[in-house]
Amino acid sequence: SAVISQKPSRDICQRGTSLTIQCQVDSQVTMMFWYRQQPGQSLTLIATANQGSEATYESGFVIDKFPISRPNLTFSTLTVSNMSPEDSSIYLCSVEAGDAGGKLFFGSGTQLSVL
Amino acid sequence: AQSVSQHNHHVILSEAASLELGCNYSYGGTVNLFWYVQYPGQHLQLLLKYFSGDPLVKGIKGFEAEFIKSKFSFNLRKPSVQWSDTAEYFCAGGDTGGFKTIFGAGTRLFVKA
Repeated sequence: SAVISQKPSRDICQRGTSLTIQCQVDSQVTMMFWYRQQPGQSLTLIATANQGSEATYESGFVIDKFPISRPNLTFSTLTVSNMSPEDSSIYLCSVEAGDAGGKLFFGSGTQLSVL
Repeated sequence: AQSVSQHNHHVILSEAASLELGCNYSYGGTVNLFWYVQYPGQHLQLLLKYFSGDPLVKGIKGFEAEFIKSKFSFNLRKPSVQWSDTAEYFCAGGDTGGFKTIFGAGTRLFVKA
């Protein structure tokens, strides 16, 4: 199993500012995933972050808006840039179990509210 | 296109009632299927998973799900729910390796004591 620490757990931000969310895993993992869960909706994959390479973004998400860092095998950050109220959401960090079965472990999430 | 759909967004049951949550998937190749649960104030966690073999899979807390390939379904069941099963349930599908896991919209289950 993997224990994922994510911070901040919640934040209230002003329009136009940026917020960086940190994700720390208690073991080395190859792939880390960032999801967004908008109010009343399901989880949507933002990007996949591999150590040592640029993140792979899903359709509808771009690096300028959601820059991701992956400096080592246990840590990643997601920045939500130039925020607007539409970015209000829960952002989740996730890692794969490592048994090649696709099971995911999730962090506790960051609840972001943009005013 | 790959997709996962859940039929019910909100379900309200009384304790001891039986539960079945619908899930259908659309995938081009081999698919791994999952049910995740999020209890109030807690992380998402895996309830059960199907990779291959016996299409009836059993998970934690008395839950089970049946993979029916001909119907592209992976419904979650529990014969007798408890108040503590109140949570949000997500069906998910992914290709081997979890490179891209797609989640259904989720079903909020409320169990009345």
